[in-house]
Amino acid sequence: KNEVEQSPQNLTAQEGEFITINCSYSVGISALHWLQQHPGGGIVSLFMLSSGKKKHGRLIATINIQEKHSSLHITASHPRDSAVYICAVQNTGTASKLTFGTGTRLQVTL
Amino acid sequence: SAVISQKPSRDICQRGTSLTIQCQVDSQVTMMFWYRQQPGQSLTLIATANQGSEATYESGFVIDKFPISRPNLTFSTLTVSNMSPEDSSIYLCSVGGSAYEQYFGPGTRLTVT
Repeated sequence: KNEVEQSPQNLTAQEGEFITINCSYSVGISALHWLQQHPGGGIVSLFMLSSGKKKHGRLIATINIQEKHSSLHITASHPRDSAVYICAVQNTGTASKLTFGTGTRLQVTL
Repeated sequence: SAVISQKPSRDICQRGTSLTIQCQVDSQVTMMFWYRQQPGQSLTLIATANQGSEATYESGFVIDKFPISRPNLTFSTLTVSNMSPEDSSIYLCSVGGSAYEQYFGPGTRLTVT
């Protein structure tokens, strides 16, 4: 079993839909990251969470430390949101080293 | 925040040759990380590079195959040696910031024929 599990693996949505991507992890963590990877390969850091909830524009990320679970929500989705979304955790005591989920490929259509 | 650039952005190489990837950061950082992302897979850490010391390699990665240099606090190189088609991947460098932040480079897309 992977330390970081994401669901769904693939997601297709119509423009305007509310999207949720889930991440579960099995280890103690210092922080959890949500990353966005576009087809060219570059990665953008969306959020870094250690507790609670963060919001940036149409993106919301939540984490429940007790349940070892995080969600990334996209409101009013748009085709430009199409990308791979990756959950990554920093294990407690591993000094910035990340363990990655397998990613969720999101396609938003008109 | 940190801005990271990588060179080259992509390359097509022949089997048996070597490629050196450069990673430049716009600020001084202690730790730099090199990752590999094989097609359809998630990212895997190759090694951690600290300035002034040998890189620390993860299980399954060895220095002879992936030598790393870290000559100063803003620059690192990763060499992929004696390449085979299985080395076709995206290679990314990243740096840690304050309070668990992470910043990633744009990646180098390598194809080995």
